[in-house]
Amino acid sequence: NAGVMQNPRHLVRRRGQEARLRCSPMKGHSHVYWYRQLPEEGLKFMVYLQKENIIDESGMPKERFSAEFPKEGPSILRIQQVVRGDSAAYFCASSPQETGTSGDNEQFFGPGTRLTVL
Amino acid sequence: AQSVSQHNHHVILSEAASLELGCNYSYGGTVNLFWYVQYPGQHLQLLLKYFSGDPLVKGIKGFEAEFIKSKFSFNLRKPSVQWSDTAEYFCAVPWGANAGNNRKLIWGLGTSLAVNP
Repeated sequence: NAGVMQNPRHLVRRRGQEARLRCSPMKGHSHVYWYRQLPEEGLKFMVYLQKENIIDESGMPKERFSAEFPKEGPSILRIQQVVRGDSAAYFCASSPQETGTSGDNEQFFGPGTRLTVL
Repeated sequence: AQSVSQHNHHVILSEAASLELGCNYSYGGTVNLFWYVQYPGQHLQLLLKYFSGDPLVKGIKGFEAEFIKSKFSFNLRKPSVQWSDTAEYFCAVPWGANAGNNRKLIWGLGTSLAVNP
């Protein structure tokens, strides 16, 4: 069972360009989360999606950032008109649909995409 | 809103020393608590989690953590560390809108542990 896949692993963009980050969850997982880690900071939640639905986008910047998780295909985090402050590591995680009595499900993480804005 | 704090940002130990990493959370209701670890060059992976019952939780690789509700704490411990425990350690708490047993994670800043052989 392949783990969470993210591509590209490294992405370089110039200011004003668009960045598209892809995340393929583990097989059978229908929940996807995006987190951002800025230099010298911890992980910050951005958005949580289930297939075709955004469950929680409370961590997404109001402008330039969007995310989707279509019925078919990977989840996409899109950053329009990138600025230097968007340089960070972006991590994707996925979790299963289990609804038992063992508390919150574990989230499984991808290797991250390191975005550098020149 | 929930927040998580980790008190030790950088820890350096010799092999066989004991380890305790602090984690505190702010919201005092029913909580689940996680410790994740990231070894050099690897993905974040779950070390252990607490959701109910016995407040002393056993995880992988000899790690354990104790949930103390009155102190809002979930400290990570290992009696004797090894060089291979060199890694970043993150405390996290699920929070917010949910779909079944799934919610976003609120993270501490992490602790970088270096174990000298």
